Amino acid sequence: GAGVSQSPRYKVAKRGQDVALRCDPISGHVSLFWYQQALGQGPEFLTYFQNEAQLDKSGLPSDRFFAERPEGSVSTLKIQRTQQEDSAVYLCASSHQPPGLAANNEQFFGPGTRLTVL
Amino acid sequence: KQEVTQIPAALSVPEGENLVLNCSFTDSAIYNLQWFRQDPGKGLTSLLLIQSSQREQTSGRLNASLDKSSGRSTLYIAASQPGDSATYLCAVDTGGFKTIFGAGTRLFVKA
Repeated sequence: GAGVSQSPRYKVAKRGQDVALRCDPISGHVSLFWYQQALGQGPEFLTYFQNEAQLDKSGLPSDRFFAERPEGSVSTLKIQRTQQEDSAVYLCASSHQPPGLAANNEQFFGPGTRLTVL
Repeated sequence: KQEVTQIPAALSVPEGENLVLNCSFTDSAIYNLQWFRQDPGKGLTSLLLIQSSQREQTSGRLNASLDKSSGRSTLYIAASQPGDSATYLCAVDTGGFKTIFGAGTRLFVKA
């Protein structure tokens, strides 16, 4: 596809349910990022993949959050036993090269998944 | 620890006005700085990327400047239009895996 796509666009979960959010990056992009954006705030880094390798997961809020990118393309962010504080927009971004390799390496963002935990 | 601050948090201007959005960062060791636009309920659209070796970038009515030594970037929007109404975010790439975002400036351009 021409851009980054994410699904579902909206997800409502009852507290305690597990959810899975999908990201399809731009074809051929090496880097994939997940961010969490609370209402009225900027995105906050969750985790980074270079191809299939998860090189940084320091932003994941708790061990209930898990991300994978098994074949180096599509990525899934899974949240187990959702809590109300998990309600946010989850954004995925991809870039052509790894960070630090080229200073003109733009990140391209998907539309996000808005998660509401009741 | 890199921190990014955007001022003002919100701005309302009449159509046609030129305006400046500000972004400041605490650590000058950045790789690049990117300005994004976010419309309500949408993802982020990249507007301009300034590499650390550059002082400014221009695209149409937009001009972004970068002063690493003072930890500042500005986004200048000329002849604002109602369609420019959105949240504008700046983001700093430190060359590591994390990109640090400001909280954004919510812009409303009145017709």
